[in-house]
Amino acid sequence: AQTVTQSQPEMSVQEAETVTLSCTYDTSESNYYLFWYKQPPSRQMILVIRQEAYKQQNATENRFSVNFQKAAKSFSLKISDSQLGDTAMYFCAFMKHDLMYAGGTSYGKLTFGQGTILTVHP
Amino acid sequence: DAGVIQSPRHEVTEMGQEVTLRCKPISGHDYLFWYRQTMMRGLELLIYFNNNVPIDDSGMPEDRFSAKMPNASFSTLKIQPSEPRDSAVYFCASSLIAPQGQETQYFGPGTRLLVL
Repeated sequence: AQTVTQSQPEMSVQEAETVTLSCTYDTSESNYYLFWYKQPPSRQMILVIRQEAYKQQNATENRFSVNFQKAAKSFSLKISDSQLGDTAMYFCAFMKHDLMYAGGTSYGKLTFGQGTILTVHP
Repeated sequence: DAGVIQSPRHEVTEMGQEVTLRCKPISGHDYLFWYRQTMMRGLELLIYFNNNVPIDDSGMPEDRFSAKMPNASFSTLKIQPSEPRDSAVYFCASSLIAPQGQETQYFGPGTRLLVL
């Protein structure tokens, strides 16, 4: 079974500054995906960024980027130029990818971390 | 596309009543997931479907919970009878598992359930 750990229950940052959220995971799989989701006070789950484990290049999406260290099983999220609208709970998530059998019971299951509450201060 | 649609957005009911949550996935998506979020347990996968067929329901807490997907555009999660400990936010998500690997799950806005 996979586990995802977010060791920072809460973080805060000043507007326009940079913040990094940590995530580690434990798995014996070699093919998988990693995600960061954002949940603002509206409770809507919004995809921030995704990373395929077979890709060495770190994913980026505008102000959001990841530092993916496969050997260390670490997947941190960096938010640059923080904005007030970035205030939310952030979840790291793991998904096993079974390339051989798309109908397997593990395919598509997201395992979430506990979440990190990020507050951006003006 | 309208995204994943869930109804109702809020539900308040009394213990023992039947509750039905509804979900319309993104058109063309072939996987549908039901999650539950609570303070104590975080986000938990309850059940998921592939092409309307339940694949894994190991997360369904007990027999009081049931889920159906009669067609590609509609799914329900039913709780009968409901109990106060079922109070949570229930999310529906859908995805398209394409050969190119677009496994991203898109979530609906959630249904906030309160059982008194």
